[in-house]
Amino acid sequence: QKEVEQDPGPLSVPEGAIVSLNCTYSNSAFQYFMWYRQYSRKGPELLMYTYSSGNKEDGRFTAQVDKSSKYISLFIRDSQPSDSATYLCAMRGARGNAGKSTFGDGTTLTVKP
Amino acid sequence: GAGVSQSPSNKVTEKGKDVELRCDPISGHTALYWYRQSLGQGLEFLIYFQGNSAPDKSGLPSDRFSAERTGGSVSTLTIQRTQQEDSAVYLCASSQGQQETQYFGPGTRLLVL
Repeated sequence: QKEVEQDPGPLSVPEGAIVSLNCTYSNSAFQYFMWYRQYSRKGPELLMYTYSSGNKEDGRFTAQVDKSSKYISLFIRDSQPSDSATYLCAMRGARGNAGKSTFGDGTTLTVKP
Repeated sequence: GAGVSQSPSNKVTEKGKDVELRCDPISGHTALYWYRQSLGQGLEFLIYFQGNSAPDKSGLPSDRFSAERTGGSVSTLTIQRTQQEDSAVYLCASSQGQQETQYFGPGTRLLVL
C-alpha cells in the first residue's frame, strides 16, 4: 500500500466551477503538506504549503488539512482554463527526518472554457 | 533570478549505454534532490544532498544509479548500463535548507531504446 493515495482523475470541469482535489495518507509522521501544479512537460511548481490542521487560503486556492483523518484537500474556486494541469500532493516528516517528500500520483485537471 | 536548470532536456540512448544527467540548483541553495517521474505517475524520490554529502540514498533503484555533487552546487546523476525501465523524466529540485520549499527544474526526459 502506498503511503500517499491521491484521487486519480482525470477531472474535467466547466470554467467557473469549484474543484476539489484530495489525498489520503497513512504515515502519521507526515507533518508538512504541499500541493504542486505541473503543466505538461514542465517541473512541478509549489502552490500551497501547510503545517497544521485547518485551512489555508491563497487567492482562489484553499488547502485543507485534517491530521486526525489523515486527509488533505485542495479547493480551486472560479476555475480557469489556465488551471488545467496535473496537481500533485506531497508531504514530509518533521525536522530530522530528511527533506525528501513523498508524492501522490497526481490528478489531471481540465477546465473547459 | 535564475531557477533550477537541468541538462539535457531530452536524452535518447540505447540499452546498455551510460548516461549523465546534470542539475544546476538555485544559487545558495544547500539542499538538492533527485526524483524520477514515470509516465502518469507521481514523483519517486531517488537521493538528496545537503552540501556535497548525501545523507539519504535510499531511493536509488539499483547500484547502476549514482549521483554526486561538487562545490555545493552542480549535481550529476549517472545511470550505468541503462535499461528500458529507466525511461522516465528525471527531476531535480533545490531548497535553501532541507526543510525549506523545494524548487523544481524542468526535468530531463530519458528514453532508453
